[in-house]
Amino acid sequence: QKEVEQNSGPLSVPEGAIASLNCTYSDRGSQSFFWYRQYSGKSPELIMFIYSNGDKEDGRFTAQLNKASQYVSLLIRDSQPSDSATYLCAVNYNQGGKLIFGQGTELSVKP
Amino acid sequence: DVKVTQSSRYLVKRTGEKVFLECVQDMDHENMFWYRQDPGLGLRLIYFSYDVKMKEKGDIPEGYSVSREKKERFSLILESASTNQTSMYLCASSSHRLQGSSGNTIYFGEGSWLTVV
Repeated sequence: QKEVEQNSGPLSVPEGAIASLNCTYSDRGSQSFFWYRQYSGKSPELIMFIYSNGDKEDGRFTAQLNKASQYVSLLIRDSQPSDSATYLCAVNYNQGGKLIFGQGTELSVKP
Repeated sequence: DVKVTQSSRYLVKRTGEKVFLECVQDMDHENMFWYRQDPGLGLRLIYFSYDVKMKEKGDIPEGYSVSREKKERFSLILESASTNQTSMYLCASSSHRLQGSSGNTIYFGEGSWLTVV
């Protein structure tokens, strides 16, 4: 069974620090990878997607992909209290758009 | 912007009732999905559909059925609601016509909180 693993947290970082969120996946055939942010009581919203090895940057967010190690991460620079949320990693196994989600990592940014 | 609308945000139903959760998307997406989300269990796929009148079971289809008579609308049906179906239900959609991996991006509705008593 294809799996996506994340540490549930909570991960606590001080305001202004770099938050590092990690995700591993089981199937080497995975093609694209997504990070969603979910605030408490709200639905997930897309932050970034990545499909090539290496880094992809968007503002304070950087996604990193290492297909050889089956590892994808999300770095949040200059963390803000408003970044406090659960971050979901999702993987596309090329099954017509179906994504497999990890259980999410809860991030808490302390002022 | 993609808009996925779930018409019922908060519902309270009795055990044994038939429950309909409706979802409409306005971006002409081919793919539509129903997930449920529970604390500690994450997002679990119930059913998905690649086209009108087509459906496939996800990871936890038991106790649920779906209907997709029109491209923009995907309904989740609980034939006989039970207390273990108390959860948040999320509808989502995506397109497989877009080029590149971004076409697999799934967009979620706001969620429907169902309580079965």
